[in-house]
Amino acid sequence: DGGITQSPKYLFRKEGQNVTLSCEQNLNHDAMYWYRQDPGQGLRLIYYSQIVNDFQKGDIAEGYSVSREKKESFPLTVTSAQKNPTAFYLCASSIDGRGRTFADTQYFGPGTRLTVL
Amino acid sequence: RKEVEQDPGPFNVPEGATVAFNCTYSNSASQSFFWYRQDCRKEPKLLMSVYSSGNEDGRFTAQLNRASQYISLLIRDSKLSDSATYLCVVGPKTSYDKVIFGPGTSLSVIP
Repeated sequence: DGGITQSPKYLFRKEGQNVTLSCEQNLNHDAMYWYRQDPGQGLRLIYYSQIVNDFQKGDIAEGYSVSREKKESFPLTVTSAQKNPTAFYLCASSIDGRGRTFADTQYFGPGTRLTVL
Repeated sequence: RKEVEQDPGPFNVPEGATVAFNCTYSNSASQSFFWYRQDCRKEPKLLMSVYSSGNEDGRFTAQLNRASQYISLLIRDSKLSDSATYLCVVGPKTSYDKVIFGPGTSLSVIP
């Protein structure tokens, strides 16, 4: 089945630790995104990548890092510099990130709930 | 002014009611518009795209008013299963700009 997978579903981290959230898609999509959602709030864009080996900061990139070495994978590292990392993290992908005026539908993974202890 | 704003909600309606959500956007050059649905503690899923001429999918009707820069979603004959948060999403004027998600409007359909 084609889709986006995120792992783990739940993650607990001690303060001061870096953690990496996995996001994999087999939809052959060029563009991938990371969002953060806090209780009762909307999605905020952390990073996005429109093509392999290229990515851009979103609205709240501080304390996060990403890589896009393969088309299928877009891991997010939450570093110890992120002040309030406890949140629901959502990864998404869309078919084509460049060369088009109209945005494509974004397909989301099931998310990872990160809790800092 | 926020880039995408939605009715704050929550909306609590009885089964069978008709409910309408509004969404306004600030970038007049925006080109793409969507409604997503997000169930509690789940990921958002596309409900429908919004076209200039308006579009309908069963009990759901979406309208776009470019002059006033707002999008609406009408749900007729509400079902219990419609209970969710509805996210308005506005796409960029170029493919290099990011998509903006609204904060969402919560709907509870009551028996």
